[in-house]
Amino acid sequence: GIQVEQSPPDLILQEGANSTLRCNFSDSVNNLQWFHQNPWGQLINLFYIPSGTKQNGRLSATTVATERYSLLYISSSQTTDSGVYFCAGSLGRLYFGRGTQLTVWP
Amino acid sequence: DAGVIQSPRHEVTEMGQEVTLRCKPISGHNSLFWYRQTMMRGLELLIYFNNNVPIDDSGMPEDRFSAKMPNASFSTLKIQPSEPRDSAVYFCASSFTGSGNTIYFGEGSWLTVV
Repeated sequence: GIQVEQSPPDLILQEGANSTLRCNFSDSVNNLQWFHQNPWGQLINLFYIPSGTKQNGRLSATTVATERYSLLYISSSQTTDSGVYFCAGSLGRLYFGRGTQLTVWP
Repeated sequence: DAGVIQSPRHEVTEMGQEVTLRCKPISGHNSLFWYRQTMMRGLELLIYFNNNVPIDDSGMPEDRFSAKMPNASFSTLKIQPSEPRDSAVYFCASSFTGSGNTIYFGEGSWLTVV
């Protein structure tokens, strides 16, 4: 199967700070997606981004498919951004990374 | 849109008992996925269906696990007999046209086997 590496594994920020999360794939994948799992366990789809750049409010994502990586940018972080961020890509089935645990302090 | 609906939300059961988890996918979606999440192994795909047909069940841990999708609006994941190592959060998710589009998760079923 595909190996999905996410970095950093843990990130602690002060409210208002910016951050970049990275996702590397061991092989070319389709249908790359980013998810946020909030502290209550809900998994929310943030972006469907097989290539290029998308923005949604304070969040944006960029995927460079030819180099097999994707980046998630969080600007002006808020405490509600806390949780685990997962990336996933498919080659037949959808493979998830182990996630980045983000904690934002007030 | 009601989203993906799972039941029960929480279940505590004794080892050896049968557990049935239920899922109603988003109306119009033709793919359904069952995932298991644990601290040790992260998110694991157990099985997925396309147009009610099981496509990939290679993630089903062993014969104690079975999944069915009798129609487009309902699926079950059954564990019989349950064991403590089955304790996990089980997520159901759905999408349109297989893995090729945005996938939406239910809120999960938190299973504890004692």
